[in-house]
Parts: sequence; structure tokens; C-alpha cells
Amino acid sequence: DVKVTQSSRYLVKRTGEKVFLECVQDMDHENMFWYRQDPGLGLRLIYFSYDVKMKEKGDIPEGYSVSREKKERFSLILESASTNQTSMYLCASSLVPYEQYFGPGTRLTVT
Amino acid sequence: GQQLNQSPQSMFIQEGEDVSMNCTSSSIFNTWLWYKQEPGEGPVLLIALYKAGELTSNGRLTAQFGITRKDSFLNISASIPSDVGIYFCAGPLGNMLTFGGGTRLMVKP
Repeated sequence: DVKVTQSSRYLVKRTGEKVFLECVQDMDHENMFWYRQDPGLGLRLIYFSYDVKMKEKGDIPEGYSVSREKKERFSLILESASTNQTSMYLCASSLVPYEQYFGPGTRLTVT
Repeated sequence: GQQLNQSPQSMFIQEGEDVSMNCTSSSIFNTWLWYKQEPGEGPVLLIALYKAGELTSNGRLTAQFGITRKDSFLNISASIPSDVGIYFCAGPLGNMLTFGGGTRLMVKP
């Protein structure tokens, strides 16, 4: 079974803080993705990566950056958290580009 | 914005009933995927479809890739309480996946 884990299930941060969300997959997948999920807006892609040290912007990259130093790990960074970044963050990985396997999500609240 | 339209947006059914939901697009897709998301969890891949007209089953779930390649259908037979969740369709858009808005399924025991 594919296992995608995320560092925290719930996180509360203050406005202006730097926030790191970590994602690890154990299936040697090339592709990894970060989404945010908001009521009424569905899943929106923030960034994705098809290889180590490689990243591409998704639909809503503003305010975020990513890091992929190792194949199994893909980090999402909020350089200066803002209240409009309060959301559910979902990480996914895939071998075949479209069959994505998701982690359990991190519910981030920025106050 | 979202490229895929799912209907219905929500369904409240009696345990034991069959369920049908669909996903439509104005564009042609070469792949259709169906996911289920339970409360507080990430989406789980249920079925992947790669060929127009394809009908694929996963237990009580059956999904079809529409002949026009602009739609897909998911059926659940003999629903049970653990079928509760949000069902998403998804299809590739360039290098990315685009998701429908979801169908929220509620099952009354």
C-alpha cells in the first residue's frame, strides 16, 4: 500500500510566522504535489515536483514555496503566514502522473 | 476555475439504495479518476479509467468512461453507512489533475 504521511494533522500559527509543512511518501514515487482544499473551491494545486530539486507552479503558488531535496520528501513553506492561508493542506504522490495518492491532510489555522 | 462539473452536489439516501453520480466537462479527457474523501481525511483513489466506454468495478462501485470522453459516471450499489463521504471526479489538464467540486453522500441507516 502507498503511504503518504504529513507531519501534522492540525497546526495553529500566528500571522507573519514561517510555516513548514512536511510530506513523506514511501513508494519511491517520482511525482509529488501540494494542494489546498477550501469549502466551495475544491482542491487547488499549489506546487508540484516531478523530480528531486525540480518544482513547478500550480494554480495558486503565490505566498508559498516548496523544497524537494530528497525523492521521498516534499516540503511546503509559507514564508510569512497570513489569515487567508488558513486551510486544509493535502500532499499527494504518484508514479503514473494522474493516479495520485493523498496524505491525511494538515488543517492549518493562522490567527 | 474548475473544469469538471459534478452532479448532484449532495445526496441523502437510505441504506441499501443504489447511488448514481456523474461528472461532465466541456473538454475531452483521456483519463478519468474517482476519489472518495471521508471527513478529516485525504481523498482515496477508488477507480481509474483510461479508455472511452470502459466500465470498471471496485467492489460495489462501478465507474464508466463516457463514449464522448466528456463525462464519467460512478454508481454505488446497495449503499451502507460507511459509504458516507465526498466523491470527487478528476481528469488531467496539461501536467496537472483538475478536480470536480464533489458529490457529498449521506446515508441514513
